[in-house]
Amino acid sequence: AQRVTQPEKLLSVFKGAPVELKCNYSYSGSPELFWYVQYSRQRLQLLLRHISRESIKGFTADLNKGETSFHLKKPFAQEEDSAMYYCAPIPPRCLMKTSYDKVIFGPGTSLSVIP
Amino acid sequence: DSGVTQTPKHLITATGQRVTLRCSPRSGDLSVYWYQQSLDQGLQFLIQYYNGEERAKGNILERFSAQQFPDLHSELNLSSLELGDSALYFCASSVHLTSEDEQYFGPGTRLTVT
Repeated sequence: AQRVTQPEKLLSVFKGAPVELKCNYSYSGSPELFWYVQYSRQRLQLLLRHISRESIKGFTADLNKGETSFHLKKPFAQEEDSAMYYCAPIPPRCLMKTSYDKVIFGPGTSLSVIP
Repeated sequence: DSGVTQTPKHLITATGQRVTLRCSPRSGDLSVYWYQQSLDQGLQFLIQYYNGEERAKGNILERFSAQQFPDLHSELNLSSLELGDSALYFCASSVHLTSEDEQYFGPGTRLTVT
């Protein structure tokens, strides 16, 4: 069964310190991988997606197919990074035909950056 | 503003009642997703519709149902409500069926069951 875990429910770091938000997934096939962020009192929004190989707000995410991980990293945390972060493996379009191919978001990690 | 709208913003109702939550996707988006966010369960995928048809089902209870109308707006119906159904319900939309597409989330409907 598809599953995604984010082992840290809450993560606190000091401003300027490196931050890594972990995401591990188990999936039959090769899902597309996304990180979504929800700032306080704002909507959930896309932060970055693996397919784009992009860096957004200083965050990057490396896909490790061997470990089936997609950890989110930033070298120097800022106070405005405090938010809830969700990892989301999404089934490839060609497989979204059965009820088994569910959209799954991880449980989320609450990041708190201490000034 | 993502372009996705949800009504109502807040809803307070009693156990055993039935409510309908409404979602209007971004213009041009054919896919609508429904999610439930509660403190203890995090963000849970409920169901997805694409161009009027159900395409994927997640952890949706039998008491819950949804549909997508010809104008592509969607409704989530919750019946025989229980205290544990209190949560924030989000809908999201995307252009295609999935997977390369970003999902655009609405502001959510906060349901409180008393």
